Amino acid sequence: QVQLVQSGGGVVQPGGSLRLSCAVSGFTFNTFSMHWVRQAPGKGLEWVAIISHDGNTKYHADSVEGRFTISRDDSKKTVYLQMNSLRVEDTAVYYCARDKQWQFVDYWGQGALVTVSS
Amino acid sequence: QSALTQEASVSGTVGQKVTLSCTGNSNNIGTYAVGWYQQISHGIPKTVMFGNSLPSGIPDRFSGSKSGTTASLTISGLQPEDEADYYCSTWDHSLSGWVFGGGTKVTVL
Repeated sequence: QVQLVQSGGGVVQPGGSLRLSCAVSGFTFNTFSMHWVRQAPGKGLEWVAIISHDGNTKYHADSVEGRFTISRDDSKKTVYLQMNSLRVEDTAVYYCARDKQWQFVDYWGQGALVTVSS
Repeated sequence: QSALTQEASVSGTVGQKVTLSCTGNSNNIGTYAVGWYQQISHGIPKTVMFGNSLPSGIPDRFSGSKSGTTASLTISGLQPEDEADYYCSTWDHSLSGWVFGGGTKVTVL
């Protein structure tokens, strides 16, 4: 069955860096685009980034552009989110998710809490 | 402010039909299909609708539709386990990014 297992959350100071990982199984990873979506405490879902199945196309939300980078390693069946210059407002649960037809998400990871605090 | 507009809350009794709406524009809903996501008590989101297609395992009391720049999710025969937050989302080609609605809280009375 399809599984997305996340790791890498934690507490970091403002201005710091963190890398999230999402290891997948149960499907042919290199044929699917992947997303990162986040949810701040008490808030709604916010899209963060998407990477195409071949890694050649990436888009990031304006709120993270220039600070966060999505990437993938097909040999490890893993998608990453490198987060630099973290701000207090980046505090959220981050979910990786599998894309469907560039219009939907069909499977979600379990989420990873990132807390940016001094 | 979210790019897609949803009602803040909707309520109904068990067995009632409720409809959630999601309004966008020609750059998003007017062009692309909409996904709907259920989140119970801020847990892991679950996909309940792709456009008007039902994912495997989702009860057929859920249905989706779209007219112009507004998409709808209908729950026919509301059940206590349907109480949750529901989010709509799709691609926006003018923003070159995905957009979410602010979410609708469904309460089962």
